[in-house]
Amino acid sequence: ETGVTQTPRHLVMGMTNKKSLKCEQHLGHNAMYWYKQSAKKPLELMFVYSLEERVENNSVPSRFSPECPNSSHLFLHLHTLQPEDSALYLCASSQGTRGHGELFFGEGSRLTVL
Amino acid sequence: RKEVEQDPGPFNVPEGATVAFNCTYSNSASQSFFWYRQDCRKEPKLLMSVYSSGNEDGRFTAQLNRASQYISLLIRDSKLSDSATYLCVVNTMAGNTPLVFGKGTRLSVIA
Repeated sequence: ETGVTQTPRHLVMGMTNKKSLKCEQHLGHNAMYWYKQSAKKPLELMFVYSLEERVENNSVPSRFSPECPNSSHLFLHLHTLQPEDSALYLCASSQGTRGHGELFFGEGSRLTVL
Repeated sequence: RKEVEQDPGPFNVPEGATVAFNCTYSNSASQSFFWYRQDCRKEPKLLMSVYSSGNEDGRFTAQLNRASQYISLLIRDSKLSDSATYLCVVNTMAGNTPLVFGKGTRLSVIA
């Protein structure tokens, strides 16, 4: 069983759809993250949860809504997205958020918005 | 100046060659540094941390130059399997989540 699993791996949605991305970590970490990776851009941090509390929200549009019901699960709810939101969405986990520990990434959910 | 800058490449090198990448960072308070590797259509994975004294792991050597604010990654005896994008990551010690990623440097090792 891999450390961080994401579903679905691929998602195509229209601009009026509502969908969710799911992430689960089996590493016993206390922090989880959503990153966005677009072509020719660095990884963009979207949200961070530490001990199930959101500690960072990097000016992400409200059409992205995270949810962290427990330390092992993280969701990203998607609503009324735009074509420019098409990207690879990566979930990661770590022990602590101060950047001293390794980030473990899931394989990503590739999102296409039509 | 961007927080973390890397030459995007691509670097196209023959098998067996030695190749080096640099990464510059803008925040002089940055304390820890990492190289991640990302294969095509895969997730990033930690390759190595970069220590002040420099460190080596097999064919890979990472170095830090605090005075000039850059880190480097040297790959000796390149293998086809080294083809990937190498991401420079800097802990800027700023804010709640201080890790900043570079855009990555793409390496293609050619037979």
